[in-house]
Amino acid sequence: NAGVTQTPKFQVLKTGQSMTLQCAQDMNHEYMSWYRQDPGMGLRLIHYSVGAGITDQGEVPNGYNVSRSTTEDFPLRLLSAAPSQTSVYFCASSYDRLSYEQYFGPGTRLTVT
Amino acid sequence: QQQVKQSPQSLIVQKGGISIINCAYENTAFDYFPWYQQFPGKGPALLIAIRPDVSEKKEGRFTISFNKSAKQFSLHIMDSQPGDSATYFCAATLGRGATNKLIFGTGTLLAVQP
Repeated sequence: NAGVTQTPKFQVLKTGQSMTLQCAQDMNHEYMSWYRQDPGMGLRLIHYSVGAGITDQGEVPNGYNVSRSTTEDFPLRLLSAAPSQTSVYFCASSYDRLSYEQYFGPGTRLTVT
Repeated sequence: QQQVKQSPQSLIVQKGGISIINCAYENTAFDYFPWYQQFPGKGPALLIAIRPDVSEKKEGRFTISFNKSAKQFSLHIMDSQPGDSATYFCAATLGRGATNKLIFGTGTLLAVQP
């Protein structure tokens, strides 16, 4: 049981480039979410999904897109990277939208120059 | 808008001492208050959690104290060990059928000196 996995671990982008951060879980969890972690600001919710085909915005969704075609995968897309998106990104999952415990992946450290 | 305020930002404690981290919240609709522990290079992991119908919850050396009237809760780490050195986040979430979206505090970096 790998839990929540994220790839890549590190990424450097130039302003304006696009990329996709991958997230997968093998626990058959319905609920998945993306957070960004910035110094002094804790973790902030970007987007979340309560099941395949259903996504919604969190606290800081601008500049990011998501889709959920399968239960296992929840990729996060940056369409045109900006320096303000330099951050550590965490994917998390829980059994369903009402479950309180969320399981976090190891994170992706993204730098936009 | 920071709905969960956490202090201190950093904390240094001697081995065997008590570490105390405080959080305050604004939204009285929150009904679940977890603490997450994060080691360098890792994702956060649930440490302990409490609901507002109890004033204290203890798991081993970790205790949450909850003051509903003051809208405050705190994490106490008894007999702190160097292995407890990590960043700790308090959080809050709405329950009662609402989708579980965690609102995190800003984090406390704890260093336990040997």
